[in-house]
Amino acid sequence: GENVEQHPSTLSVQEGDSAVIKCTYSDSASNYFPWYKQELGKRPQLIIDIRSNVGEKKDQRIAVTLNKTAKHFSLHITETQPEDSAVYFCAASGELGSYKLIFGSGTRLLVRP
Amino acid sequence: GAVVSQHPSRVICKSGTSVKIECRSLDFQATTMFWYRQFPKQSLMLMATSNEGSKATYEQGVEKDKFLINHASLTLSTLTVTSAHPEDSSFYICSARDLGGGRFTGELFFGEGSRLTVL
Repeated sequence: GENVEQHPSTLSVQEGDSAVIKCTYSDSASNYFPWYKQELGKRPQLIIDIRSNVGEKKDQRIAVTLNKTAKHFSLHITETQPEDSAVYFCAASGELGSYKLIFGSGTRLLVRP
Repeated sequence: GAVVSQHPSRVICKSGTSVKIECRSLDFQATTMFWYRQFPKQSLMLMATSNEGSKATYEQGVEKDKFLINHASLTLSTLTVTSAHPEDSSFYICSARDLGGGRFTGELFFGEGSRLTVL
């Protein structure tokens, strides 16, 4: 089945700097790659997603890139703000047609004021 | 976005008792729901896929007799932790995708989560 690895596990940046989180996946059939932000004690919230027919997607300060050949995708946050501090999870679609998501291990992002 | 409601948000029970957690999709029909378990500071581990009108599909290593899943309607799935023990203490989160062609087609929406503490 699908396996998703995520790095780094923790990331500390200065406010205004950029943050990059990387994920790799194992199943070449996966075609949907969302990113979720989870604040302490709260539910994960979708922040951006990308499908396998697209190489890059941007939404204001956040962007995601996908390299299907290498089977990795990345989240880029520019001009970070303290409110960006949270745990970020990448995910990849599981078995074809199952619609289930397999999550990475998470990255704890701290944006220092 | 679409709303998935989960209840209860917190539950404390004695060892050996059973606990039921409900997951409802409030504004869309969800033929498929997913149950995840999250330990402190860890990722979301998929436990099972709940299928409306049929048996749930469990991930490897998840005891189906321990975690009973029922998906009796298009808007409700329940997870029952049977004969709970302290090691079952965790944060359980359900999720659902709107596959019906509505406004939110494809996106996975999460419930608020249920924190189970077994004494």
